[in-house]
Amino acid sequence: GIQVEQSPPDLILQEGANSTLRCNFSDSVNNLQWFHQNPWGQLINLFYIPSGTKQNGRLSATTVATERYSLLYISSSQTTDSGVYFCADYGGSQGNLIFGKGTKLSVKP
Amino acid sequence: DTAVSQTPKYLVTQMGNDKSIKCEQNLGHDTMYWYKQDSKKFLKIMFSYNNKELIINETVPNRFSPKSPDKAHLNLHINSLELGDSAVYFCASSGGKKYGYTFGSGTRLTVV
Repeated sequence: GIQVEQSPPDLILQEGANSTLRCNFSDSVNNLQWFHQNPWGQLINLFYIPSGTKQNGRLSATTVATERYSLLYISSSQTTDSGVYFCADYGGSQGNLIFGKGTKLSVKP
Repeated sequence: DTAVSQTPKYLVTQMGNDKSIKCEQNLGHDTMYWYKQDSKKFLKIMFSYNNKELIINETVPNRFSPKSPDKAHLNLHINSLELGDSAVYFCASSGGKKYGYTFGSGTRLTVV
């Protein structure tokens, strides 16, 4: 099945800094999604982005399907951005998401 | 107005017990899922149901049995709980392959 690699595994930022998280896929990208798991454990869908670029406030995501990767940009980071960011794509014909191992982001005040 | 709701949020139980986790979605989605998140935060699919029909049944011990009485509900029953079953279990739903997933808030299961 599809392999999903996320980098970096851990990231520590000072509040106000910008960051880029990356997701590489071993197979063609079909239905890529980015999630944020906050410190309370809740999983929030940030973007459904099989290709192209989308923006939502300080967050934006770009997927280059032909090169099998996606990037998540966080600008002017805030402490509330802390948590684990996951990317995922469909791994089979039945439509279940295969997740990467996540990037743990800590934003310090 | 919770979109995907799971109960209970926390579950502490002894080895050997049987327990259930309930999930309900009010999004009108056809497909529902159970995912398990281990202590290293890795998320792995367990089951998928589409319109009450089992679609995916990954390599999960048969002590785990999903039940979908209708397309808005997907429950997870676990028999003879073991220490290794301790994890966070997430329910999710989706409107189809071209749509994003919506996750419930998770159920933290601790087996002692």
